[in-house]
This record gives sequence, structure tokens and C-alpha cells, in this order.
Amino acid sequence: KNEVEQSPQNLTAQEGEFITINCSYSVGISALHWLQQHPGGGIVSLFMLSSGKKKHGRLIATINIQEKHSSLHITASHPRDSAVYICAAYSGGGADGLTFGKGTHLIIQP
Amino acid sequence: KAGVTQTPRYLIKTRGQQVTLSCSPISGHRSVSWYQQTPGQGLQFLFEYFSETQRNKGNFPGRFSGRQFSNSRSEMNVSTLELGDSALYLCASSSLTSPNEQFFGPGTRLTVL
Repeated sequence: KNEVEQSPQNLTAQEGEFITINCSYSVGISALHWLQQHPGGGIVSLFMLSSGKKKHGRLIATINIQEKHSSLHITASHPRDSAVYICAAYSGGGADGLTFGKGTHLIIQP
Repeated sequence: KAGVTQTPRYLIKTRGQQVTLSCSPISGHRSVSWYQQTPGQGLQFLFEYFSETQRNKGNFPGRFSGRQFSNSRSEMNVSTLELGDSALYLCASSSLTSPNEQFFGPGTRLTVL
């Protein structure tokens, strides 16, 4: 079974700072997801990647398959980025092939 | 397209009671998965349904069950509620072509007193 570790668990930063959240997994995967969960519960998918790097606005996700590691970066952070960020490693099959990290609780202070 | 909807959004029950939660997937999605989210354990997979059949099941006791209807709507049921069942229950739907791309609903927050 895949083990997914995220760090840090909690992160408080000032508006404008560059943010990095890390995710490592123990078993080879076919895809890795980054999810965002705002207070209230709803989860939205930010990225799904299997190699290299993806960028969407101020968000960048990278993955190193050999090192079994992915990072989520936020440039020019803003208070509206405050949320829980969850990585999920997909090993194949159905939904049971997804293993979730416990999440990083990010607070961006104005 | 409308997103995944879940009802009710909030629920308070007492120990020993049972509860039924409902999930309507995105139109055209035939796979529905259920997850339990708690502060200590994070997101944990409960089960997945596809075409009215349970396809996969996570490591949860038999008190947790579910079903899927012909219109792909799904329900999950928890019987004999325990305090530890207090959690956010999320359902997600996905298409056949991209089973790992889950679209989540807003969740049902269950509190067991």
C-alpha cells in the first residue's frame, strides 16, 4: 500500500510570500493529484500530473518520478489561497487506487 | 454541467442511530466513490460504485454500507452510529475514461453525540 507524506502539516505565511508544499510517496504511481479544500469542505482538483511540471496562474506543480516526490508552489501568495492542500497518489485501478496525504493547512496573513 | 451534490449538508445524530447520506454525481458519470474525512486520519476511501455494483471497498466495518441506483445516484448508510463516526463524508464522481480524476461534492458533516 502506498504511503503518502506531506510537509509541512501547517504553514502560516505573509501575503506575497512564495509557498512550497511537499509530498512524497512510497510506491510507484501513474499520477499524482493536488487538491484544494476550503473551509466548509468542498474539494477542488488543482492539478493531475504524471511527469514534469504544470502551471496554472500562480500555482505550479512539479513531480520527480525517480525520487517519488512532488511539490506545489504558490507564487505571490494571497489570503484567498488560505486552504488545506492535499496530495493524492494514484497507483491504478479504481478509486481505491488513490492514497491521500493528510493535508497541509495553509494560512496567508494580509 | 452541474457539479456533484450531496444531501444533507449537516446532520446531528446520537449514538446507536442510523443515518443515510445521498450523493448525485455529475451527469454522465457512472462511478461514485465515498470518503470519510477526519482531522486525525485525513481522507479515507470507503467504497466505490459503478453501474449499481460495488467495485471496491475500503477498510471500514460492515456498519458502513452503500448502494447505487440506475440513475447513478448513490446513498451510503451507517448503522449503529458511534462517536468516532463524526466526520465529513465526501462523495466524488468520475468518468469511465479517467477513474482517478475525482470530482468532489461539498460533503455532509455528520456529528454523533
